Parts: sequence; C-alpha cells; structure tokens
Amino acid sequence: KAGVTQTPRYLIKTRGQQVTLSCSPISGHRSVSWYQQTPGQGLQFLFEYFSETQRNKGNFPGRFSGRQFSNSRSEMNVSTLELGDSALYLCASSLAPGTTNYGYTFGSGTRLTVV
Amino acid sequence: GENVEQHPSTLSVQEGDSAVIKCTYSDSASNYFPWYKQELGKRPQLIIDIRSNVGEKKDQRIAVTLNKTAKHFSLHITETQPEDSAVYFCADYNSDRGSTLGRLYFGRGTQLTVWP
Repeated sequence: KAGVTQTPRYLIKTRGQQVTLSCSPISGHRSVSWYQQTPGQGLQFLFEYFSETQRNKGNFPGRFSGRQFSNSRSEMNVSTLELGDSALYLCASSLAPGTTNYGYTFGSGTRLTVV
Repeated sequence: GENVEQHPSTLSVQEGDSAVIKCTYSDSASNYFPWYKQELGKRPQLIIDIRSNVGEKKDQRIAVTLNKTAKHFSLHITETQPEDSAVYFCADYNSDRGSTLGRLYFGRGTQLTVWP
C-alpha cells in the first residue's frame, strides 16, 4: 500500500513568487491536513480538507490557501512568498476527520526555501 | 487553550538508560494522544498512541501513560539504543472544542540523543 506522497521534495523560490505543493493521501484516505514545520516552532497546523471542503484552518495569513480534488489529492498554495515562509511543509492523511483508529500518516514533506 | 506543552526540549541519555518525555494538555475533552518520532531528514512516524479510556499502553520498549485528572501523558522508552535518537512529538486530538472542529495539536518536540 503506497504511503502519502508529496511533490516536489525540494523547491527554491524567490520572494514575491507563488508556489503550489501537492499531496496524494493513502488510497482510501479522504482527509488531508497540512502543517508547516520550522526549527523551534514544531508543527504548525495550516488547514484540513475532507470531501473537497476545508473543514478547519489554522492561524496563517490568507496568502496560504489550499484545495482538495475529488480523488482526495490536495494542493496548497502560498502566494507572495516571504523569507519567513521557508520551511518543511508536511501533509498528513487519515481515513476521515476524527477517525483516529488508524492515526494520521505523514508524507515526507516539501522543503521550501525562499531566497 | 489549544497548546500542548512538551518537556524537556532536549534529552540526552546513555545507551541502556530510560528516557521519559512528558506532555500536558488543557482541554478535558481531548480524547486521543499520539506520539510521533521524526528522524533527521525524515517524516514524522506514529510510534504509539493512547485513547482517553485507557491509562497505559505498551509496545516492546516504548510505553505511554495517561493521567486524565492531571491532564498529562508521558512517553517512556526503556533500554534506549542509539537508533532511538530523534525528535519526538506528542499531540492531542479534541473532537469537541465548542465551535472549533477537532484536529491534532502538537507539542514543540523533544530532541532525544542516546549516546553509545
């Protein structure tokens, strides 16, 4: 069974540009959550999608957005990139929100560097 | 509040010793408590979890205990090995936080180093 797949693995972007990251959940999982990980800040929750709808959102500016497709794949977009957006972006998939029987499984992440 | 407090932030032990990491949470409605291990350059991986109706759970050398009254839960690693060196994250899940939909709230992580 394939795990959670995130693409690309690495990205280098310039300030002011925008970027789109992709996450394909485990087959059968319909919930995708996104996190930003930076040294010292741990895992900061961005948003969660289920059935193509954003069901929960963290405390990030509107430059951070996302969407989910009918096949449960999710994308997140960051517009007008800032140096502080440099981080590892992780997504996690689960069967559905609140179904903790099998936990949340993380992808390997996309390392974004803004220069 | 939404924060999960995790201590210590760094922990160094000698191979064979035990390691304990503790997390506290604030909302009594939290009902699921997973622990993740993240090795350098890799993804966080679920290593053990516990639900609010259970006080303790073991899996070989690792165990998690939950004290609902005090609102804290701990990860215990016995007979530590160098390959246990990693960052460990605790989290809690609350499916009923008033108008806020449930989700995982993570601690800031503990860097565990096991010296041979």
